[in-house]
Amino acid sequence: DGGITQSPKYLFRKEGQNVTLSCEQNLNHDAMYWYRQDPGQGLRLIYYSQIVNDFQKGDIAEGYSVSREKKESFPLTVTSAQKNPTAFYLCASSTLPGQGAPAGRYEQYFGPGTRLTVT
Amino acid sequence: EDKVVQSPLSLVVHEGDTVTLNCSYEVTNFRSLLWYKQEKKAPTFLFMLTSSGIEKKSGRLSSILDKKELFSILNITATQTGDSAIYLCAVVTNAGKSTFGDGTTLTVKP
Repeated sequence: DGGITQSPKYLFRKEGQNVTLSCEQNLNHDAMYWYRQDPGQGLRLIYYSQIVNDFQKGDIAEGYSVSREKKESFPLTVTSAQKNPTAFYLCASSTLPGQGAPAGRYEQYFGPGTRLTVT
Repeated sequence: EDKVVQSPLSLVVHEGDTVTLNCSYEVTNFRSLLWYKQEKKAPTFLFMLTSSGIEKKSGRLSSILDKKELFSILNITATQTGDSAIYLCAVVTNAGKSTFGDGTTLTVKP
């Protein structure tokens, strides 16, 4: 089955520890994204990547880091520098225009999310 | 700075009503506007709009984009309790950067 997976579903950490969230896709998508969602709010972009070994900061990148060593994988590290890390984290992937997708079909597909609680 | 504003923030209707959700945006190098439905888990895709004036339809849901006035609407006719969800609007730029609005929380009462 093709899809995008995130693990774990729930994660608990003590303050001051770094934690890495996993995101894997087998959809052959070039682009991948990380979002954070807080209660009652929309999604805020943390980082995105359109090609292997390259990524860009989103609107709230401070305190986070990513890597894109493989097309299928885009792990997110929440560092101890992130002041308020407790949130719901969503990963997404998409193809890009002109890269084989049917016309107009380059929407983002989301993984199931990881709910991170830091105490 | 790219901005997406959705209105209203929340809406309560009764089954059978028709609702219109609004999304206005200010971004540089617009590529596409997307609508998603979120029900306590990951968002699911509804529509992608790239051209003005072309209505997208899927059952009771439809959406249209106005690139001149920089807004989109999502219409839901004959609402059902299963339509209760957060509806998210997002805009993607040519550089691949996406910006989401805060969403509209729709509650459909029996």
